[in-house]
Amino acid sequence: DAKTTQPPSMDCAEGRAANLPCNHSTISGNEYVYWYRQIHSQGPQYIIHGLKNNETNEMASLIITEDRKSSTLILPHATLRDTAVYYCIGANLFFGTGTRLTVIP
Amino acid sequence: NAGVTQTPKFRILKIGQSMTLQCAQDMNHNYMYWYRQDPGMGLKLIYYSVGAGITDKGEVPNGYNVSRSTTEDFPLRLELAAPSQTSVYFCASSYSMAGASTDTQYFGPGTRLTVL
Repeated sequence: DAKTTQPPSMDCAEGRAANLPCNHSTISGNEYVYWYRQIHSQGPQYIIHGLKNNETNEMASLIITEDRKSSTLILPHATLRDTAVYYCIGANLFFGTGTRLTVIP
Repeated sequence: NAGVTQTPKFRILKIGQSMTLQCAQDMNHNYMYWYRQDPGMGLKLIYYSVGAGITDKGEVPNGYNVSRSTTEDFPLRLELAAPSQTSVYFCASSYSMAGASTDTQYFGPGTRLTVL
């Protein structure tokens, strides 16, 4: 089971791309990586997930390294409403403390 | 579709009291989960259920009990409340086992519990 590590906080200027890294060096070969975010004290909201290939949806893009030891969540044009805590998790559902992203006007 | 609902939204308990946190989902999901989130921390898995009548412990099960008599409901019981159980409790559901598939979890709005 993979435990993930993320930087505790990041800032991003409004309108710029936010790139949030996650290290999951112990992830197994068939284990998905999921990203969720939590705005204020609301329940976490699903963003995107991936296994090996890069993924994109209407919210974000996910870049997974070839060795699958790390990934990056990309919010292409960050808005103030993207200010939240972002969690990267694996199959063991270990949420950790996530990355607090602050989008600055 | 209401999704995942939780009641109550807020509750204050005295030490030693008991209560049940309610969770319901209307998406016909097989899997349901209970998490707790302490201030400034991530979510920790308390219990989960893979279907009616089947439950299993998560990372922090001590002090809690669960049951799953129907697909829709997954209540969490605190028998003897302690200050260490002051937290925000989130219920979630998914069609298949989250993390082991392409499926994702849907979370409820949470119950904020204070034990004094």
